[in-house]
Amino acid sequence: DTGVSQNPRHKITKRGQNVTFRCDPISEHNRLYWYRQTLGQGPEFLTYFQNEAQLEKSRLLSDRFSAERPKGSFSTLEIQRTEQGDSAMYLCASSFGGRAEQFFGPGTRLTVL
Amino acid sequence: EDKVVQSPLSLVVHEGDTVTLNCSYEVTNFRSLLWYKQEKKAPTFLFMLTSSGIEKKSGRLSSILDKKELFSILNITATQTGDSAIYLCAVDSGGFKTIFGAGTRLFVKA
Repeated sequence: DTGVSQNPRHKITKRGQNVTFRCDPISEHNRLYWYRQTLGQGPEFLTYFQNEAQLEKSRLLSDRFSAERPKGSFSTLEIQRTEQGDSAMYLCASSFGGRAEQFFGPGTRLTVL
Repeated sequence: EDKVVQSPLSLVVHEGDTVTLNCSYEVTNFRSLLWYKQEKKAPTFLFMLTSSGIEKKSGRLSSILDKKELFSILNITATQTGDSAIYLCAVDSGGFKTIFGAGTRLFVKA
């Protein structure tokens, strides 16, 4: 399968713990996006990479959130000191060049107890 | 603040009905408007619209954009139970940021 993949698919953690999610984009896509989606809402933009450079960050991305894309391939999103409000679906998407349509992964559903 | 507003938020119809989903937007910079379908997991791309008045069609789905009035509609004719999903409208503002609406939840009854 050459689509966008995300791991893990589900994560349950206790408040205060750190979690890390991984996204593997479509191999030839140079752009990678992270979104957060809560029930009843559309995806909210978190951050964007063009190759390995993080070019845009939402103000939703507090200092507990950090994202990397070493070597311009896969990306990781880490949340430190998780809070119950972090519970959501975290979606990764990728796109090629300047094309607007994005291809989404299946998401990682985070539950913070 | 940039925003995308979809209506209705939810809709229940019977198989065979025709539905119209609405999307209005207010953004500083507009590059394109996109429609996605989200079933249980990831959104999948349906249409991209950049010019007013040009209808995009794919089977029973069609969409059109009005850049003067800042809205788009997505039509689904002869609905089927497999059309049940959340339909998301998004605007690409060209600044690497895509702004999504909250979605319209469509449920098609057999």
